[in-house]
Amino acid sequence: DVKVTQSSRYLVKRTGEKVFLECVQDMDHENMFWYRQDPGLGLRLIYFSYDVKMKEKGDIPEGYSVSREKKERFSLILESASTNQTSMYLCASSPPGGNTEAFFGQGTRLTVV
Amino acid sequence: AQSVSQHNHHVILSEAASLELGCNYSYGGTVNLFWYVQYPGQHLQLLLKYFSGDPLVKGIKGFEAEFIKSKFSFNLRKPSVQWSDTAEYFCAVILYSSASKIIFGSGTRLSIRP
Repeated sequence: DVKVTQSSRYLVKRTGEKVFLECVQDMDHENMFWYRQDPGLGLRLIYFSYDVKMKEKGDIPEGYSVSREKKERFSLILESASTNQTSMYLCASSPPGGNTEAFFGQGTRLTVV
Repeated sequence: AQSVSQHNHHVILSEAASLELGCNYSYGGTVNLFWYVQYPGQHLQLLLKYFSGDPLVKGIKGFEAEFIKSKFSFNLRKPSVQWSDTAEYFCAVILYSSASKIIFGSGTRLSIRP
């Protein structure tokens, strides 16, 4: 079974803090994704990466950055957390080519106070 | 911009009722289509997918979906729902031109009355 693991289920941070959300997958997938999930808005793509050190902006990249130094690990960084970044963050991975589904982690519920 | 629309935000049904959830996408090229489900407190799971071939696809737990290319639609159906189908359902699209970028709809919350 594919496993996508996010380092924290719940996180509470203060406004202005630098926040790291970590995601690891064990299936040697090239593609990795970060989404945020908000009620009524579905999943919105923040960033995705199709190879080590490669990244592309998604639909809502403002206020976020990412790092992919190793194939299995994709980190989402909030440089200076703000209350409007309180959300559920989902990581996913998939093989290249688009001919198979993505596999999701359990999500990290981030609250910025 | 490419988008995926799910017009039903919250659907409430009684057990044994039939279900149809709408999904439309705006993209003229080749797409792969998915329905994911998220049960309360759980991670997203794949219900079914369409890549090519028979436009009527069957998934897990009795769900099916029909791809109608002329209508840019991929509606999800189930003839008789159960209380355990209470969940949030997301339609998603991968665009062939986008290096596997996956675009999701806003989701439909399904509540089943026992």
